[in-house]
Amino acid sequence: DQQVKQNSPSLSVQEGRISILNCDYTNSMFDYFLWYKKYPAEGPTFLISISSIKDKNEDGRFTVFLNKSAKHLSLHIVPSQPGDSAVYFCAGNTDKLIFGTGTRLQVFP
Amino acid sequence: DVKVTQSSRYLVKRTGEKVFLECVQDMDHENMFWYRQDPGLGLRLIYFSYDVKMKEKGDIPEGYSVSREKKERFSLILESASTNQTSMYLCASSLEAGELFFGEGSRLTVL
Repeated sequence: DQQVKQNSPSLSVQEGRISILNCDYTNSMFDYFLWYKKYPAEGPTFLISISSIKDKNEDGRFTVFLNKSAKHLSLHIVPSQPGDSAVYFCAGNTDKLIFGTGTRLQVFP
Repeated sequence: DVKVTQSSRYLVKRTGEKVFLECVQDMDHENMFWYRQDPGLGLRLIYFSYDVKMKEKGDIPEGYSVSREKKERFSLILESASTNQTSMYLCASSLEAGELFFGEGSRLTVL
């Protein structure tokens, strides 16, 4: 039972443009959501989170949007930079984190 | 800064061998976790622990066990390694439920 789904395994975006990574979930009990970023041969690092009572959270170039009625969240990166090229995981939290399958973002010059 | 250290970055083992993966965190976190990462499957929770001597099964505990004798140390044990346990293993810790701090990972290859 995949409670958190990232349906796009990869995304390619030109430098300076917006990257939009999507995530769908099925568990209505998630009380907040997190995005992690992972470079090859490194552990994931926390990027940004959003409480289930909010619909938007912004931190610099990163903004996460939550649509509870659609059970959907998205991460916007603007402007995208080559250093943003990584795998991005979304996760929902109950008593533990449930991760999605990840989206590989490639930002090209 | 929180530091989570995994003892081995790369291991190669043979089928049937016993494998220990060690993880140590230095921030006095109560909670510790073991995940494995596989292409197309994301991060899957193997075991977790909210206190010393305590352990809980995650989503894929079969073929694994854990040990938490001290607060800062959480070990993952493969009693008899199999080829389908070839993977990247990630240890994490957290102060409360939620934001996890991950180690750099241990890439295990079972031949």
